[in-house]
Amino acid sequence: GENVEQHPSTLSVQEGDSAVIKCTYSDSASNYFPWYKQELGKRPQLIIDIRSNVGEKKDQRIAVTLNKTAKHFSLHITETQPEDSAVYFCAASTTGTASKLTFGTGTRLQVTL
Amino acid sequence: AAGVIQSPRHLIKEKRETATLKCYPIPRHDTVYWYQQGPGQDPQFLISFYEKMQSDKGSIPDRFSAQQFSDYHSELNMSSLELGDSALYFCASSLTQGPSPLHFGNGTRLTVT
Repeated sequence: GENVEQHPSTLSVQEGDSAVIKCTYSDSASNYFPWYKQELGKRPQLIIDIRSNVGEKKDQRIAVTLNKTAKHFSLHITETQPEDSAVYFCAASTTGTASKLTFGTGTRLQVTL
Repeated sequence: AAGVIQSPRHLIKEKRETATLKCYPIPRHDTVYWYQQGPGQDPQFLISFYEKMQSDKGSIPDRFSAQQFSDYHSELNMSSLELGDSALYFCASSLTQGPSPLHFGNGTRLTVT
C-alpha cells in the first residue's frame, strides 16, 4: 500500500518568515495530494490540494509543488502568521471508489512573534 | 454549507464495553471514510463505504465493524473496548467523481477507562 513520509516533524519560524514542509510517497498510482491543517483536538481541514497533472498550485500565501518523477510534494507558506501555528498533514490517494487518504506523520508548525 | 455531522462528540466507556459512533455525510456525498487518530498521531484509515457497500478496509480491528445505511449515514460499532482504543475517531465524506477532497467531521473523542 501507499506510504507517505513527511519532514520535518516540528518546525519553528518567526512571524513573516516562510515555512516549507516536504513529503514523499511510494505508490506511483497516487494522483491526488491534499494538505490538511489540524488544530489541537479539532478536525483536519483542507487548505490546498494538487492533482498529478499539475506541477504547482498557489492560493494566496500557500503554495504546493509536485514532482511526480521523484514522487515528492511540498507545502510552502509565505509571510507566516501566528494563526498558521498548527499541525500540517500531507496525504496521498488515488481517485476512484477506494480513494482513501494515506496521511504523512504530520509537521507541528510553530510561528513565533 | 452543510458539513459532516458526527455523534456523540465525547464518549466515555469502560473496558470490555461496546460503543457506537454515528456519522452523517455531506448531502450527495457517496463515500464515507472512518479514521482513528491517537494522541500525537496521524489519522489512520479504518474503513470506507461507497454507495452503502464496503469499498476499502484499513487497520480496523476485528472487534470493530461498520456499515452504511440507506440514508447514507454510517455507524462504527466497537466491541470489547480496550484502553488502546482511546482516540479521536473521524468520519469523512467525499464525492468519488474525479479527484475530490475528503471533508472531515468534528470527530468523536472516545475515552476507555
